[in-house]
Order: sequence, then C-alpha cells, then structure tokens
Amino acid sequence: QVQLQESGPALVEPSQTLSLTCTVSGGSLSSGYYYWSWIRQPAGKGLEWIGRIYTSGSSNFNPSLKSRVTISVDTSKNQFSLKVTSVTAADTAVYYCARNNGAGSGPAYWGQGTLVTVSS
Amino acid sequence: QTVVTQEPSLTVSPGGTVTLTCASSTGAVTSGYYPNWFQQKPGQPPRALIYTTSNKHSWTPARFSGSLLGGKAALTLSGVQPEDEADYYCLLYYGGAGVFGGGTKLTVL
Repeated sequence: QVQLQESGPALVEPSQTLSLTCTVSGGSLSSGYYYWSWIRQPAGKGLEWIGRIYTSGSSNFNPSLKSRVTISVDTSKNQFSLKVTSVTAADTAVYYCARNNGAGSGPAYWGQGTLVTVSS
Repeated sequence: QTVVTQEPSLTVSPGGTVTLTCASSTGAVTSGYYPNWFQQKPGQPPRALIYTTSNKHSWTPARFSGSLLGGKAALTLSGVQPEDEADYYCLLYYGGAGVFGGGTKLTVL
C-alpha cells in the first residue's frame, strides 16, 4: 500500500518561496503510470487543486497558480516536490500530496497534510 | 475562470438516500471530465470515493454510487449511516487541470 508524507517548513515569510517535499513509501515513484499531485486547503475552506506531474515528467497546473508553481520529481530519493514563489498570506493552507490509482482516477492516496503559514 | 458548483449543505435522515451534485460553469458534465468524489471529515485528509463518474475504489462502501444526472455529476448515498456526516468534494478535469467544487456539508440528522 503506497503511503505519502509531506515535509517542509511550517512558516514562510511573505515574498519568499514555499518548498515542500512528499516522500513516497510502499512503491517506487518511477514505476507505473501515475500522477503525483499537490492540493491545498486554507483553514475552514475548500480544497484547491495545485498541480500534478506524471511519471514521464509531463505536468499540469492550476492556471491561477501556474506562474508561481513548480513540481518536480527526484526518483533517487523517491520524493516529489512543490515550490511556490512570491508567497502571500493567501498561500497559508494545509498542503497535501497525493497519487492517483490508475487511469481515470484522481488523487486516491493522500498524505496527512502539512500546515504552512505565511507570515513575518 | 472555470467554476465547479456543489450544494453548500444537505441534510439527510439515517437510513435515507441523498444525492449530491456537481455542475460545471462550462456546460454539461460528461465522463470526459473524469468526475471524482471525495469525503472529508474534520482533521483528516480527504478520502477518495469515486473516479471517472461511477468507478469505486476498493475501499469505497457499497452505499456510495456515482453517476451523471441532468448534465451534472452526482454522488448518491443510499442507506445513510451516521458516520457519513462529512464534507464531500467533487473534482473535474479540464484539459488535464483539475478544479474542485466548493464542497457540500452533509448532515445526518
């Protein structure tokens, strides 16, 4: 059973870059045909889809975040990462990483989430 | 900006049946939008229930079913249990990019 765990700084200063890593266990990041996704959720609000990267390296992003977001994969560490540049308080949220469950599936396996607060 | 709309809240009695819907600002929802449904309880990550309109994950209880209804994606809960009280989110894909609906708060009362 694949498991995912987010990690990274809990506090980021405004205008800086938010960087998170998702460590995958129970399966190889480089095997299979999967999407590795990032989703976030501000406190008390709904889910926001950030983007995803395919095993092949192709990716898709939320148009409203695309100019500030990078998603990358490190197969040697079995991790994938999220970077969001020029953050503001609006980027404060619980960030989740996830993997789909095959063709046609959206995020099926989720990490527990990590809270990132943007504040000085 | 594409908007995905869900009922903000619904109430159902234990043992009853309820249908949640998911509409797209671009028009009728089809399976080509790969509708997904998720359940989220307080303090927990979302749990995937349905993908590509009506397919269940191995862990999805039988009382949950997905369909297309009147141009919308729909999630039906039959024989509702108290533990089904939660927030429910749909997710649609537009050319590879996903958009979540605003969520439906389901109360079992």
